[in-house]
Amino acid sequence: VQLVESGGGLVKPGESLRLSCAASGFTFRNFGVNWVRQAPGKGLEWVASISSDGNYINYADSVRGRFTVSRDNARSSLNLQMNSLRAEDTAVYFCARDRSSNYYGCDYWGQGTLVTVSS
Amino acid sequence: IQLTQSPSFLSASVGDRVIITCRASQGINSYLAWYQQKPGQAPYLLIYDASTLQSGVPSRFSGSGYGTEFTLTISSLQPGDFATYYCQQLNSYPLTFGGGTEVEI
Repeated sequence: VQLVESGGGLVKPGESLRLSCAASGFTFRNFGVNWVRQAPGKGLEWVASISSDGNYINYADSVRGRFTVSRDNARSSLNLQMNSLRAEDTAVYFCARDRSSNYYGCDYWGQGTLVTVSS
Repeated sequence: IQLTQSPSFLSASVGDRVIITCRASQGINSYLAWYQQKPGQAPYLLIYDASTLQSGVPSRFSGSGYGTEFTLTISSLQPGDFATYYCQQLNSYPLTFGGGTEVEI
């Protein structure tokens, strides 16, 4: 099982960025997936979740209306479209797979991609 | 749902028994997970469903609790266990993490 994030970088406040997570080694369409972020030196913050079929999506209040999560099961990929970025969105963004149910935590994580929002 | 971990920092020695507590602001059944994170690495799932050990995790780790009070116990601390530990509730959205407990030598 492997999850590899990409798309991070340095952007200015108000700009947009699209993160991707490439999954391999398992049947992607069978698992819910999540985005979790970690600001420098801080704790973990859940960002968004999407069900295996993409029909159920949830967002943290801090990103709702600005971020959009999507998935492409044919390509085994997860995406996070981030608009109207703010300084407080600066963080390492991890994608993570639901263990077997959305009640049981995340058993596989990517190594993360750093997003820096600064003027 | 807010999760309050205690202590936030813990100094311990190899061989010590370590107990970390996670309190939820409202009942979350048994839908709690524990993670270990080392600097520069992704979190690593230790326990799910409050007390079920994730495959491959050493048996010195154990979890207990239900409702609002949960504990993670490391029965005999090993050198590789010095890390930060987080609880996460999965009972309802928005999912939340505790603030973390840093375990240091």
